[in-house]
Amino acid sequence: GENVEQHPSTLSVQEGDSAVIKCTYSDSASNYFPWYKQELGKRPQLIIDIRSNVGEKKDQRIAVTLNKTAKHFSLHITETQPEDSAVYFCAALTSGTYKYIFGTGTRLKVLA
Amino acid sequence: DGGITQSPKYLFRKEGQNVTLSCEQNLNHDAMYWYRQDPGQGLRLIYYSQIVNDFQKGDIAEGYSVSREKKESFPLTVTSAQKNPTAFYLCASRLGQGVLPQHFGDGTRLSIL
Repeated sequence: GENVEQHPSTLSVQEGDSAVIKCTYSDSASNYFPWYKQELGKRPQLIIDIRSNVGEKKDQRIAVTLNKTAKHFSLHITETQPEDSAVYFCAALTSGTYKYIFGTGTRLKVLA
Repeated sequence: DGGITQSPKYLFRKEGQNVTLSCEQNLNHDAMYWYRQDPGQGLRLIYYSQIVNDFQKGDIAEGYSVSREKKESFPLTVTSAQKNPTAFYLCASRLGQGVLPQHFGDGTRLSIL
């Protein structure tokens, strides 16, 4: 069945450094890729998304890249801050369906 | 996303008891979802509904039931058949079809007494 693999499961970076989280999806018909940030005990919140007709999207310190050929997409956070510490989830949606497939999450720790 | 309200925030279940988790949205969204989240794991889909009076099983539907009698409401019942119900339950909704994001409620944490 459909699957999204997410790596790494944990990531520690020094404040000010960059962080990269990678996801690989299995369904070549996937055409929408959101990223969510979840703080402890709270709801996942959408931070950025990308559609399959776009290769890269940026919003201030956050960017997402998509490689459709390799079926990879990645989240890039630059100039990390302690408040970026959270669990990040990637997801993939297949065209014409309502079902999102989520990765298993990456716990990001930004060390001050 | 203040438009999706889950209640209660914390819930305790006794042995052999059914409990119902509430999810209400005022976003006029068509699709609604229930996910289960266990510590250190991702989101697993329990049920989803595209329209009123229709719903589909997700990946882990056993031991759970839902209804969708109104567009704004999608309650989840955790039955006594679900032997390991302790988890964080998240409700989400989405507007219509197409490439659109889901928006989540604040979640309900269910524990066994």
